[in-house]
Amino acid sequence: GAVVSQHPSRVICKSGTSVKIECRSLDFQATTMFWYRQFPKQSLMLMATSNEGSKATYEQGVEKDKFLINHASLTLSTLTVTSAHPEDSSFYICSAEALLGNTEAFFGQGTRLTVV
Amino acid sequence: GENVEQHPSTLSVQEGDSAVIKCTYSDSASNYFPWYKQELGKRPQLIIDIRSNVGEKKDQRIAVTLNKTAKHFSLHITETQPEDSAVYFCAASSFANTGKLIFGQGTTLQVKP
Repeated sequence: GAVVSQHPSRVICKSGTSVKIECRSLDFQATTMFWYRQFPKQSLMLMATSNEGSKATYEQGVEKDKFLINHASLTLSTLTVTSAHPEDSSFYICSAEALLGNTEAFFGQGTRLTVV
Repeated sequence: GENVEQHPSTLSVQEGDSAVIKCTYSDSASNYFPWYKQELGKRPQLIIDIRSNVGEKKDQRIAVTLNKTAKHFSLHITETQPEDSAVYFCAASSFANTGKLIFGQGTTLQVKP
């Protein structure tokens, strides 16, 4: 099956710093990638839709200036958490749709972010 | 926008029994309904999905049923095993954007040996 690789898997950062998370589709092209956030013992919440070559579309309540998304190529999307605070500590997961669409979503391994 | 409700939040069954998890959705435009199994700290794993042009789909011990009129779909696991213990999520999206998923709240399934 298609492989989506997400890095880093774990990161600890100091409050006020920024963290970049990468999501790569390794063996297929993805025009669209999605970013989710999952707090402990909760569900996955869609944060934003990332389209190659255009601005991301953010879900209601998600601060676009805090969660910067860049989708510069058909295989790479990045999420930067700017000025991170302890309440941003969460599990962040990306997923990708294949170029041809109409297939299942392929998830990255997830990134456990801890802000201290 | 779409809203997906999932019940129960926890489910405990004896090994060999069946488990049923139910979800309802609000957006009639949704036509793709996957089910995921997630283990702690891991990515969601697709276990079965159904599209709105069918009412039921089965894969060995797992089956999913869909009632589009009532906007609900269910996951059925038969002959449960301890390794089925995990958190299960239902989700809804559309064919055009199968990756744009709205998830239910999750069900923690415990299968007791």
